[in-house]
Amino acid sequence: EVLLVQSGAEVKKPGATVKIPCKVSGYTFIDYYMHWVQQAPGKGLEWMGLVDPEDGETIYAEKFQGRVTITADTSTDTAYMELSSLRSEDTAVYYCANSYNSGFLNNWGQGTLVTVSS
Amino acid sequence: EIVMTQSPATLSVSPGERATLSCRASQSVSSNLAWYQQKAGQAPRLLIYGASTRATGIPARFSGSGSGTEFTLTISSLQSEDFAVYYCQQYNNWPPDSFGQGTKLEIK
Repeated sequence: EVLLVQSGAEVKKPGATVKIPCKVSGYTFIDYYMHWVQQAPGKGLEWMGLVDPEDGETIYAEKFQGRVTITADTSTDTAYMELSSLRSEDTAVYYCANSYNSGFLNNWGQGTLVTVSS
Repeated sequence: EIVMTQSPATLSVSPGERATLSCRASQSVSSNLAWYQQKAGQAPRLLIYGASTRATGIPARFSGSGSGTEFTLTISSLQSEDFAVYYCQQYNNWPPDSFGQGTKLEIK
């Protein structure tokens, strides 16, 4: 069974940084891209970026460029999404999701709620 | 950037009836279109890829059609568990960064 398991909810102050892990099992980590998707409360899905765990190459959405860092640790089969300079608008659920070469998102993590509040 | 537009924003349908959801792309995405279902408080789930191929474990009452810029998700004979929000996503262009804004399917 393919599983993507994320960490629990976080509360951060404005200006802080959050780093969310996504540990995978049930498939070969380096065979699938890992994407991150943001969903603000009551809103739709917004793609943030991806990492190719095989070589660490990343692509980021323009909206998050400069604030987001996505990495992959092949020793632990875990992907990470780090978002810095947090502001209230970053309050959202963040999902990891994998894709094969094509790009549709096969499997999703359960999501991590990040609340940014002073 | 490809813009995906879904309609309607909200669709009210009675259980047992058919629901038809639409997704339009601002330029051709060939058949590289996926549909996802998201129930309240849950992560999205892949329903359809390649515009018309059901993902593993998805019931046959879900069907997808279309190519180019116009796509449709049809749910025949709605069950109670089908009331959710549905999103389309294009993956013709890399990276696959375009989701539609979603259609909320609610009980009439």
